[in-house]
Amino acid sequence: DTAVSQTPKYLVTQMGNDKSIKCEQNLGHDTMYWYKQDSKKFLKIMFSYNNKELIINETVPNRFSPKSPDKAHLNLHINSLELGDSAVYFCASRPQGADEQFFGPGTRLTVL
Amino acid sequence: DAKTTQPPSMDCAEGRAANLPCNHSTISGNEYVYWYRQIHSQGPQYIIHGLKNNETNEMASLIITEDRKSSTLILPHATLRDTAVYYCIVRFQTGGTSYGKLTFGQGTILTVHP
Repeated sequence: DTAVSQTPKYLVTQMGNDKSIKCEQNLGHDTMYWYKQDSKKFLKIMFSYNNKELIINETVPNRFSPKSPDKAHLNLHINSLELGDSAVYFCASRPQGADEQFFGPGTRLTVL
Repeated sequence: DAKTTQPPSMDCAEGRAANLPCNHSTISGNEYVYWYRQIHSQGPQYIIHGLKNNETNEMASLIITEDRKSSTLILPHATLRDTAVYYCIVRFQTGGTSYGKLTFGQGTILTVHP
């Protein structure tokens, strides 16, 4: 029973392509997040949605567009991929009124 | 959010207590101390958090100094599976405009050896 799942686990693609990463949580949480972990292992928040509403939008290129079709899903679409987009992307979720965030296993994106 | 300082790496023998320090000298009165860890190739995992009192759960204990400028995460009986990067994060509790944003530093690489 995976709590927070991401697909795909690995994604290798060419520069200039458009790709999507999907995230689903079966925990009934209201808030979901996308984080990026670069090659130097720094984890940085990108976006957060609460009940399908965007609440955090860090300084991220507008080639990145999150979409939340319902509160159990938060997908990340990336247009015109660049070499610098290569990283591990983590999805996380958090229940209402609590602090603990539950992270997914990550999606390793490699742009060639 | 207050900045934290952690040693880049630590070693611990299996079965012994691992004591991971964190300095947060600019912490404000309403900011909490959170600990997460990231085992290799996995997503971060929540461990524990606290405001000023010491806290304990099934994973670890958190000791916060009286002036709240530093804290120590204690893993009482470290195992090989505790080898991971441990992150100390200081921020306001979720709510209001916080929305639970986590700002990760470099963390401490804890290596537990046999």
